[in-house]
Amino acid sequence: AQTVTQSQPEMSVQEAETVTLSCTYDTSENNYYLFWYKQPPSRQMILVIRQEAYKQQNATENRFSVNFQKAAKSFSLKISDSQLGDTAMYFCASESPIQGAQKLVFGQGTRLTINP
Amino acid sequence: KAGVTQTPRYLIKTRGQQVTLSCSPISGHRSVSWYQQTPGQGLQFLFEYFSETQRNKGNFPGRFSGRQFSNSRSEMNVSTLELGDSALYLCASSLTVWGTEAFFGQGTRLTVV
Repeated sequence: AQTVTQSQPEMSVQEAETVTLSCTYDTSENNYYLFWYKQPPSRQMILVIRQEAYKQQNATENRFSVNFQKAAKSFSLKISDSQLGDTAMYFCASESPIQGAQKLVFGQGTRLTINP
Repeated sequence: KAGVTQTPRYLIKTRGQQVTLSCSPISGHRSVSWYQQTPGQGLQFLFEYFSETQRNKGNFPGRFSGRQFSNSRSEMNVSTLELGDSALYLCASSLTVWGTEAFFGQGTRLTVV
């Protein structure tokens, strides 16, 4: 079974700074997807970024980018030029065809606070 | 287009009662998944439905059940509520292909007293 670990329960940075959230995962499969989801105080989970395991190029979405190290089973999220609206819980998650479609395995989350 | 709608948003129930939560997916999405979120256990997968069939189930007792209707709307039911069932229950809808984005609702906050 896949497991996802986020070792940073909380992080805090100043607005406009760059912050990196860590995530490691464990899997014996070759084919899987990795995700970062954001959960603001409104509770609604929103997809931030997605990475396909067989793609070597790191995914980027505007200010958000990942550092995907497949051999090390590491999937960190970098937020550049952080904004107050980035304050939220961030969850790393994995999905694979063997564990089942639409069955996301989540990490414990990192609470990120952006200070003005 | 409208997002995923969960009702009710908040619910208070007494231990031993049963509860039904509802989820209306995004139009065109046929897969609906349910998750339980608690401070101690985090986000845990409950089950996933596609075309009225349960395709996948997490490690939860039989008191947790669900179903999906022909219009893709889904309900989950918890019988004989326990204090430990207090949680935020999230529903997500998506296209059928794995690896696609899951769109979440705002959840139902269930409190068991």
